[in-house]
Amino acid sequence: KAGVTQTPRYLIKTRGQQVTLSCSPISGHRSVSWYQQTPGQGLQFLFEYFSETQRNKGNFPGRFSGRQFSNSRSEMNVSTLELGDSALYLCASSLFRGPNEKLFFGSGTQLSVL
Amino acid sequence: AQKITQTQPGMFVQEKEAVTLDCTYDTSDQSYGLFWYKQPSSGEMIFLIYQGSYDEQNATEGRYSLNFQKARKSANLVISASQLGDSAMYFCAMREGVNSGGSNYKLTFGKGTLLTVNP
Repeated sequence: KAGVTQTPRYLIKTRGQQVTLSCSPISGHRSVSWYQQTPGQGLQFLFEYFSETQRNKGNFPGRFSGRQFSNSRSEMNVSTLELGDSALYLCASSLFRGPNEKLFFGSGTQLSVL
Repeated sequence: AQKITQTQPGMFVQEKEAVTLDCTYDTSDQSYGLFWYKQPSSGEMIFLIYQGSYDEQNATEGRYSLNFQKARKSANLVISASQLGDSAMYFCAMREGVNSGGSNYKLTFGKGTLLTVNP
């Protein structure tokens, strides 16, 4: 069974641009979450989608947005990129949203903003 | 206050020996889940083990076991018979509000412990 797939693996953008990252969850998984990892702030929750609806949102500005499609694939978008958006963006999926659900992560997208 | 505290920024262990990575947590929820992940230099977060707050037995997954002490709010990861490939960053994480309808379905991570396995 394929794991969580994130594309692209690496991305270089300049300030002010916008970027879209993609995540394909494990087959059958319906919940997709996004996390940002930086050396200074560590791992921080961005948002979570289930059945094409955003269910949870972390403490990030509105420049960070996402969506989920009917096949559970998800995308996140960052508009008007800032230098501080340079980070590893990790996507995680789980089967449902139950109390004992395990989250499985992808390899991440390394975003560098110049 | 930190919700997840990993007090060991770095740990060293000899190959084939056991090692314990510490994790303490802070929550007022009765129902919660605790996770451990491994992150090699490649960046992928690899799921290792899960412990639910109502689980009476400590979780085990192969060479990984979780020493869960609920009253002390600790969830230490024990790796037995360390291998060179175990060298990586290890993160403890918690999911609160597990039975609250999922309104808080997210993980809070600790800062991590960098484990180095020496030959």
